[in-house]
Amino acid sequence: SQQGEEDPQALSIQEGENATMNCSYKTSINNLQWYRQNSGRGLVHLILIRSNEREKHSGRLRVTLDTSKKSSSLLITASRAADTASYFCATDGETSGSRLTFGEGTQLTVNP
Amino acid sequence: GAVVSQHPSRVICKSGTSVKIECRSLDFQATTMFWYRQFPKKSLMLMATSNEGSKATYEQGVEKDKFLINHASLTLSTLTVTSAHPEDSSFYICSATPLWTSGRAWEETQYFGPGTRLLVL
Repeated sequence: SQQGEEDPQALSIQEGENATMNCSYKTSINNLQWYRQNSGRGLVHLILIRSNEREKHSGRLRVTLDTSKKSSSLLITASRAADTASYFCATDGETSGSRLTFGEGTQLTVNP
Repeated sequence: GAVVSQHPSRVICKSGTSVKIECRSLDFQATTMFWYRQFPKKSLMLMATSNEGSKATYEQGVEKDKFLINHASLTLSTLTVTSAHPEDSSFYICSATPLWTSGRAWEETQYFGPGTRLLVL
């Protein structure tokens, strides 16, 4: 496994349901970020959570961070078909500076 | 704000030719730009870190003579794939870190370009 490993790799839900994606990492971090990528497109920054934060909200997004377990979760509530995309977590470490290490991503499909 | 563009969005070239990809920060100055490579249904792999006015720092396993990076200004970085081969076909994405977050690691956010799809025949 590698830094920033997402779980599950693929998730298929119905519109209106909540989607939870998890990310685990190995080394100490400064920040953990979640990005979204539509097929064949660039990445859109969703949310950044600092190592001293435990939870953060942004609209329908809720991110948690557990540094003791080296894990984070992204919750999308009341999902919509437009939320269909790949979601990646990325970490920047104390020794890596601003260089990001991305996880493998979770492919979320929201069925209308 | 914080828009990053890439040009071209898509390029097809013959094996052995060189291809240049541009990454521009449109409405901000970027201290650092990053170049990533992404294979289908895979994650992003950092290739190199580019700082304006200095040599790029390449990740282990990335050939610097193969992937030439020039960061000539605070708004432009270019990646040139030299003597491209079919195995270089991939999705190349750049990102930029705004100058205003420089030195404040807790606020740094990378803004990503839309990507360039390279197909080498």
